[in-house]
Amino acid sequence: EIVLTQSPGTLSLSPGERATLSCRASQSISSSYLAWYQQKPGQAPRLLFYDASSRATGTPDRFSGSGSGTDFTLTISRLEPEDFAVYYCQQYGSTLFTFGPGTKVDIK
Amino acid sequence: EVQLVESGGGLVQPGGSLRVSCAASGFIFRDYSMKWVRQGPGKGLEWVSYISSSSSTIYYADSVKGRFTISRDNAKNSLYLQMNSLRVEDTAVYYCAVGPEYCSGGNCYWGYYYSMDVWGQGTTVTVSS
Repeated sequence: EIVLTQSPGTLSLSPGERATLSCRASQSISSSYLAWYQQKPGQAPRLLFYDASSRATGTPDRFSGSGSGTDFTLTISRLEPEDFAVYYCQQYGSTLFTFGPGTKVDIK
Repeated sequence: EVQLVESGGGLVQPGGSLRVSCAASGFIFRDYSMKWVRQGPGKGLEWVSYISSSSSTIYYADSVKGRFTISRDNAKNSLYLQMNSLRVEDTAVYYCAVGPEYCSGGNCYWGYYYSMDVWGQGTTVTVSS
């Protein structure tokens, strides 16, 4: 089973600041089959990126995804009020589609 | 409108059984793989199970293997999760979601470039005595 570790657990920032979220895998993820999801309270998750860096429909340009192998990053260049949420990475390159524990981005 | 609607959640005693369903509309259900993901109260997301479009490939998380059974009825555009031997730790909101495989004309393609990301609103399962 591929274990995903996300850091930090919580990121306290102000609107307009840059956010950098990390996702590290216990082993290399096949074909960079890694997704990033955003989840707000009471809502289902929303796909932001797939294949590590491919932007899903509707994902704003201020978001970017990068990485390969075991190290992946989600960057929000300038935080907007609607970006404060929990972010999860998930791999779908093996037969067990594991999620990371999540990073909460909250308002400082 | 592409839509998934879960149903069948409720309160069940430890050791009991429950079947949750997911009704799909607005897309060609038989062309897409499906999955179940759950979220315990105040917890993160946990992938539960996956089924391919033809039901030929099925995967389970270790935490539910041997207790849960995923199935689908393409004629009814429906996905199911039969949950047996339920435990307190199975308490969660259960979401059905599309992907990541898309099949068309006998060819199948892995990944969200070909598939789509659609989630239901979730159904709540509570396991408690």
